[in-house]
Amino acid sequence: DGGITQSPKYLFRKEGQNVTLSCEQNLNHDAMYWYRQDPGQGLRLIYYSQIVNDFQKGDIAEGYSVSREKKESFPLTVTSAQKNPTAFYLCASGQGALVNIQYFGAGTRLSVL
Amino acid sequence: QKEVEQNSGPLSVPEGAIASLNCTYSDRGSQSFFWYRQYSGKSPELIMFIYSNGDKEDGRFTAQLNKASQYVSLLIRDSQPSDSATYLCAAYRGGGGNKLTFGTGTQLKVEL
Repeated sequence: DGGITQSPKYLFRKEGQNVTLSCEQNLNHDAMYWYRQDPGQGLRLIYYSQIVNDFQKGDIAEGYSVSREKKESFPLTVTSAQKNPTAFYLCASGQGALVNIQYFGAGTRLSVL
Repeated sequence: QKEVEQNSGPLSVPEGAIASLNCTYSDRGSQSFFWYRQYSGKSPELIMFIYSNGDKEDGRFTAQLNKASQYVSLLIRDSQPSDSATYLCAAYRGGGGNKLTFGTGTQLKVEL
């Protein structure tokens, strides 16, 4: 069953804590993306990776970190430096040059305790 | 000016009517455009994409692109209550990063 799996579905962070959100895909896509969505807002790009062992900052990378050690996996760490982490986090993977179709996982909802 | 702009709505249409969702973009280098549907609390799902001027039809959905006017639209024929959702427009420029730029979405309500 092909797709993108994000876990956990819900996550709670304590003050000063780092938390890691998991994203795994079996679509054999080269590119993977992390977005943040706040209520009533569109998607804002945090980080993206086009190839294993390489990734670039998106528009709102501060307070976040990523790794891309395997093609299938692109975990996102929300660090204690991110002062307003409460949001819906979406992972996507994509392929294509002229038309870059991106498919999304089910998302992780992060809240602060 | 936002790169991709959408009216936030809500846009209310009666069941069976045509819903028209609009999107404008500022980057003339944008090559292709996407419409995603997002139900409340869920992740976006792709409905259609378009990269050539004109219309593209898929079932009850028609995407329209006018690059000269920098305008993209999505028409939903025979609207159903199940179409009630937020519709996100996204533009893709190509080149480094293969990034999509999203609008903030238009909320559609289909009323019985």
